[in-house]
Order: sequence, then C-alpha cells, then structure tokens
Amino acid sequence: AQSVTQPDIHITVSEGASLELRCNYSYGATPYLFWYVQSPGQGLQLLLKYFSGDTLVQGIKGFEAEFKRSQSSFNLRKPSVPWSDAAEYFCAVTGAGSYQLTFGKGTKLSVIP
Amino acid sequence: SQTIHQWPATLVQPVGSPLSLECTVEGTSNPNLYWYRQAAGRGLQLLFYSVGIGQISSEVPQNLSASRPQDRQFILSSKKLLLSDSGFYLCAWGTSLVPAYEQYFGPGTRLTVT
Repeated sequence: AQSVTQPDIHITVSEGASLELRCNYSYGATPYLFWYVQSPGQGLQLLLKYFSGDTLVQGIKGFEAEFKRSQSSFNLRKPSVPWSDAAEYFCAVTGAGSYQLTFGKGTKLSVIP
Repeated sequence: SQTIHQWPATLVQPVGSPLSLECTVEGTSNPNLYWYRQAAGRGLQLLFYSVGIGQISSEVPQNLSASRPQDRQFILSSKKLLLSDSGFYLCAWGTSLVPAYEQYFGPGTRLTVT
C-alpha cells in the first residue's frame, strides 16, 4: 500500500531563513508526487508536482522540490521564507492508473518575524 | 479558468440531525470529484470519489453518503449526524485527462456537531 511520511509535525524558522520540509513516500511503482499548502481555515493549494523528467521541480511562490528515487524522498525547499509562508504543508503521492492521492499528515510551519 | 465552490462555509448541527454539503465546479467538464474530511493532526481522509454522474466510490464505511446528480455537482449527506462527524470537509476536483493527476481543492466547510 502506498504511504507518505512527513517526519516533522511542526517546524519554526525565522523570517528570511531557508526552509526544507521533508517527505518520504512508499509506492510500488513510479510515483507522481505533489506538495500542497493550506492556510488556516482554507482549502489546499497546489505548490508543485513531479511526474517525470528533471528531478528538481519549480513551483509557485518560489518553492522547489527535489525527487530522489534512491531515498524515496521529495523534499520541499525555499531559500528565504517570508512571514506569509506560515501555513501547513502536505506532501502527496499517486501513480499511473490511480485517481486517488495519498497524503501525509502535514507539517505546520511557523515563521518568526 | 476553473473554480470550485463549497457551501455552506460553516455549519453547526445537533447530533441526529441530517446533513447536506454541496460542491460545484465551474470551467471544466467531466471532472473527477472528491470528498475529504480533515481532522486536527490526522491529515486528509478520502471519503468518496466520483468519476462520472451517478458513479460513487466509498473509501470509508460510515454514516455519510455522496451523490453526483449533475456533472459538476457533488453532494455529501447524512441522515443522522454523529459527534464524530465534526471536522473540516473539503471537496476537490481533478481532470480525467492523463497524465494530470493533481487535485484542486475548494475552500472547505467547517462542520461542528453538538
């Protein structure tokens, strides 16, 4: 069965610091991977996705993620985090022939001004 | 562009009362539609999905049901709410075109069962 692990429940960074959110997945075939962001009381917004090709993918709001098949990871990064990036971040996986996403339990990001 | 609407935004209902949450999508046709429930610290739980009118797949046995009376309308219902039904309910749509598998989420409905 497919699964997603986000090891960090809560991360706090200072405004302007760099960020890396970890995501590890388990999937029996070629994975399709996603990162979403959710502000309090709102729906999820897609940040970026990986299907194939270049393992470093760029997304909206200056985020990027790197797919590492050998480590079964898809970590999200940003070089400098503004206060407005405080939110909860979800990693998700699916694969060919499946229309269902499996989500991790999320990482809450707090940003200290 | 595509948009997804959910209503109501918030709802407070007593135990044993019925429930109807509605989700509509604009700007696309024949979308795949999804209902999720989100509880604090537990991530997103897929409840139902639909790949076409009248086609509903249930992921979790419970006292909830879903219907898709029109192509871009998805309804979540219950005849009698339980306290455990409280949570944040999210509707999402995805294109049926391969290889796009991402889903796009609505603003959600906060349900409190008292």
